[in-house]
Amino acid sequence: GENVEQHPSTLSVQEGDSAVIKCTYSDSASNYFPWYKQELGKRPQLIIDIRSNVGEKKDQRIAVTLNKTAKHFSLHITETQPEDSAVYFCAARAAGNKLTFGGGTRVLVKP
Amino acid sequence: DTGVSQDPRHKITKRGQNVTFRCDPISEHNRLYWYRQTLGQGPEFLTYFQNEAQLEKSRLLSDRFSAERPKGSFSTLEIQRTEQGDSAMYLCASSLWDSTTNEKLFFGSGTQLSVL
Repeated sequence: GENVEQHPSTLSVQEGDSAVIKCTYSDSASNYFPWYKQELGKRPQLIIDIRSNVGEKKDQRIAVTLNKTAKHFSLHITETQPEDSAVYFCAARAAGNKLTFGGGTRVLVKP
Repeated sequence: DTGVSQDPRHKITKRGQNVTFRCDPISEHNRLYWYRQTLGQGPEFLTYFQNEAQLEKSRLLSDRFSAERPKGSFSTLEIQRTEQGDSAMYLCASSLWDSTTNEKLFFGSGTQLSVL
C-alpha cells in the first residue's frame, strides 16, 4: 500500500519568512496530493491540492510543487503570518483509493 | 450547518465497555471514510463506504471494530470491549466521488475517545 513520509515534524519560522514542508510517497500510481491544515482542537481542512498532470499550483501565499519522477511534493507558504501556525498534513491517493496521510508538520510562526 | 457532523464530540468510557459513534456526511456525498488520529500523528485510515457498501477495511483494524452505513447516509462506528490503546480522535470524512472528478475529502470535527 501507499506510504507517505513528511518532513520536518516541527518548523519554527519568523513572521514574514517562508516555510517549506516536504513529502515523499511510495506508490507510483498515486495521482492526487492534497494538503490539510489542522488548528488545535479543530478538524483538518483542505487548503490546496494538486493532481499528477500538473507540476505546480498556487493559491495566494501557498503553493504546492510535485515531482512525479522523484515521487515527492512540497508545500510552500510565503510571507508567513501568526494565523499560519497549525499542523499541516500531506496526503497521497491512487485513483479510487483512500487517502494516506503523512505524519504532520507542526508550524509555529513567531511574531 | 451543511458540513460533516459527528456525535458525540467527546466520549469517556471504562475499559471493556462498548462505544458507538455517529457520523452524518454532507448530504450529497456518496463516500464516507473513518480515520483515527492520535496526538502528534496523521490520520490513519480505518474503513470507507461508497453508498451503503463497505469497500475497504484496514488490515490493522481489530475485529472489535465494526462500521455500518445502512442507508447510504449516516454511518456508525462501534468499538467493542474497549482498550486503553483505543483512546484517540475518531474522524469521519465524506466526499463526492465519480470516476471523472477530483474527489475532495471534507472532515468532521471528530469524536475524542478516552478509555480509562
